[in-house]
Amino acid sequence: DTGVSQNPRHKITKRGQNVTFRCDPISEHNRLYWYRQTLGQGPEFLTYFQNEAQLEKSRLLSDRFSAERPKGSFSTLEIQRTEQGDSAMYLCASSLIKVNSGTGELFFGEGSRLTVL
Amino acid sequence: AQKVTQAQTEISVVEKEDVTLDCVYETRDTTYYLFWYKQPPSGELVFLIRRNSFDEQNEISGRYSWNFQKSTSSFNFTITASQVVDSAVYFCALSGSISNFGNEKLTFGTGTRLTIIP
Repeated sequence: DTGVSQNPRHKITKRGQNVTFRCDPISEHNRLYWYRQTLGQGPEFLTYFQNEAQLEKSRLLSDRFSAERPKGSFSTLEIQRTEQGDSAMYLCASSLIKVNSGTGELFFGEGSRLTVL
Repeated sequence: AQKVTQAQTEISVVEKEDVTLDCVYETRDTTYYLFWYKQPPSGELVFLIRRNSFDEQNEISGRYSWNFQKSTSSFNFTITASQVVDSAVYFCALSGSISNFGNEKLTFGTGTRLTIIP
C-alpha cells in the first residue's frame, strides 16, 4: 500500500492522558497536513509541514497539541492532558508541491479516531 | 475570512436518478482553488476535482459534472444516473491565496450526506 498511513486507527483514552498519532505520508511527498474532523462537520486545518519545517499552525492548535516531522518523512501529533472536547477524527494528508505549481492534490489517510472518556 | 456553505445536510435519491449537490463559497482572494472530496464510510477523503478561479469551464468526468459560476460564487456537483456506490458524504472545499509554493490549507464545508436507495 503506497497511500497515506495513520496509526493507530482508533484510540480510547481517559481524560488527562497523553496520546500520540503517527502519519506516514506518500514517500516522495514534501508537504504534510493535519486536519481534525468532529462528528457532522467538515475537516478543519490544524497545521502543515514543508519537509521538516512547520510552516503554519491554526489557532485551533492549543498549547496541549504539538506536531513534529523530524526528518521530513513521517509526522507525529501529540495531545497532552486530553479533554473530552479533543474527541475527533484526526486526518493526515500529504502532497507534492513544486515551485509555481499552484495548489497540489491532497492525499488523505483514513484518519485516527480519538475518544476521550 | 473564507467560508464554504453546503446547505443540503442530507439527500436521498433512488438509484439512477440524477442529483446535484450545492456549494457556495466566500473569499476575498482573487486567486483561489475549489475542490470536491468524497468521504465513504471508511473515512478516507477521496479527491474528486480541483478547479482554479480563472477557469470557469464546466467539467465532466464520466457520470460526474461540475458547474462553476463565479458570479454566484457557486461550485455545484452533479451525479448523473446515480449508483449505490455513490453513497457517501461529499465535501466542497476552498483554498486560500496561492503563493509561489501553493497552498493546500483547505476550508471545508459541513458536507452533504448522499444516500442512494436501491
